[in-house]
Amino acid sequence: EIVLTQSPATLSLSPGERATLSCRASQSVGVYLAWYQQKPGHQAPRLLIYDASNRATGVPARFSGSGSGTDFTLTISSLEPEDFAVYYCQQRNNWPPRLTFGGGTKVEIK
Amino acid sequence: QVHLQESGPGLVKPSETLSLTCLVSGYSISADYYWGWIRQPPGKGLEWIGSISHSGSTYFNPSLRSRVTISVDTSKNQFSLNLSSVTAADTAVYYCARVPYSGSYPSHFDYWGQGTLVTVSS
Repeated sequence: EIVLTQSPATLSLSPGERATLSCRASQSVGVYLAWYQQKPGHQAPRLLIYDASNRATGVPARFSGSGSGTDFTLTISSLEPEDFAVYYCQQRNNWPPRLTFGGGTKVEIK
Repeated sequence: QVHLQESGPGLVKPSETLSLTCLVSGYSISADYYWGWIRQPPGKGLEWIGSISHSGSTYFNPSLRSRVTISVDTSKNQFSLNLSSVTAADTAVYYCARVPYSGSYPSHFDYWGQGTLVTVSS
């Protein structure tokens, strides 16, 4: 089983600052890595990035993803008030297909 | 615009079967994609339950495989989840989602339902 470890658990930043979130896989997942944003109140997660670096439809350009293999990064270039939320990474291994999520990073207002 | 909506009982008794349906609008589920279920226990993270393709291929989380059934009803444009022998540990918000694939296998989740809370309690 591939385990995804997200760090830090909590990131305290101010609006306008740059956020850098990390996701590390216990073994290579190639580029099969996605990022989601979930806002409080158990709103449904929103897909931000798929295949490590492709922005989903309608996602602002301030969100970018990078990485391959075991180390991945989600960067928010300049935090907007609506960006304070929990972010999850998710991988898919090749065979047998199994989709797993990381434990999440909470981006909170400093 | 693709829209997904979960429905089903909000309360299930221990040892019984949890049954949920996801009605899809704005896209024909028989056309393409996988369709899947994800759950989130209160205060915790996300867990993939399983996915079914438009042609009926299924993949499940190994930790739940023995208790999960996912099926598709193309005539109603909906798909369903059955989780048997539930316990309190199955209490969660259950989401349905559309699942793009890569290399024939489910990859990620691009459209989500709003989620429905299912509590397992007597």
